[in-house]
Amino acid sequence: KNEVEQSPQNLTAQEGEFITINCSYSVGISALHWLQQHPGGGIVSLFMLSSGKKKHGRLIATINIQEKHSSLHITASHPRDSAVYICAVRGGATNKLIFGTGTLLAVQP
Amino acid sequence: GAGVSQTPSNKVTEKGKYVELRCDPISGHTALYWYRQSLGQGPEFLIYFQGTGAADDSGLPNDRFFAVRPEGSVSTLKIQRTERGDSAVYLCASSLTSGGIYEQYFGPGTRLTVT
Repeated sequence: KNEVEQSPQNLTAQEGEFITINCSYSVGISALHWLQQHPGGGIVSLFMLSSGKKKHGRLIATINIQEKHSSLHITASHPRDSAVYICAVRGGATNKLIFGTGTLLAVQP
Repeated sequence: GAGVSQTPSNKVTEKGKYVELRCDPISGHTALYWYRQSLGQGPEFLIYFQGTGAADDSGLPNDRFFAVRPEGSVSTLKIQRTERGDSAVYLCASSLTSGGIYEQYFGPGTRLTVT
């Protein structure tokens, strides 16, 4: 079993829909990251959080430390949101990241 | 300011050859990480440097893989006797330091194809 599990693996939405991507992890962490990766592109950090909730524009990330679960929400989705969204947890003395396999999101106009 | 840069952006090599991949971290960042991303997968940790020393190399798959960071800035990932299974995108990230919770900034990656 992977230490970081994401669901769904693939998600297709219509423009304007509210989107939720889930992440569960099984290890102790110091922080959790949500990252965005466009096809052929580099990885961009969206959020780093260790408790509670963060909001940036149309994106919201929440984490429940007790349940070892995090969600990424996208409100009023747009085709430019189409990308792979990756959950990664940070733990251990070196703070290396352990990644989920990603969620491929396609938002159709 | 400049972000993390990686060269080359693409590398095609024949099975059995030696390759070097370079990472230039953000100036002043003492922590540097190498990750590998196979097609359709999330990245996997390879090695981490704090300054010049490799603090954690537990992710290197075997002794064909080696990385250096002699002056605490630029790092080179070296792969000997490349195999087709080494084909992947090699990502580098840097952060201000490893202690505390600091953001990791990723480079664009080097796509390695072993034929």
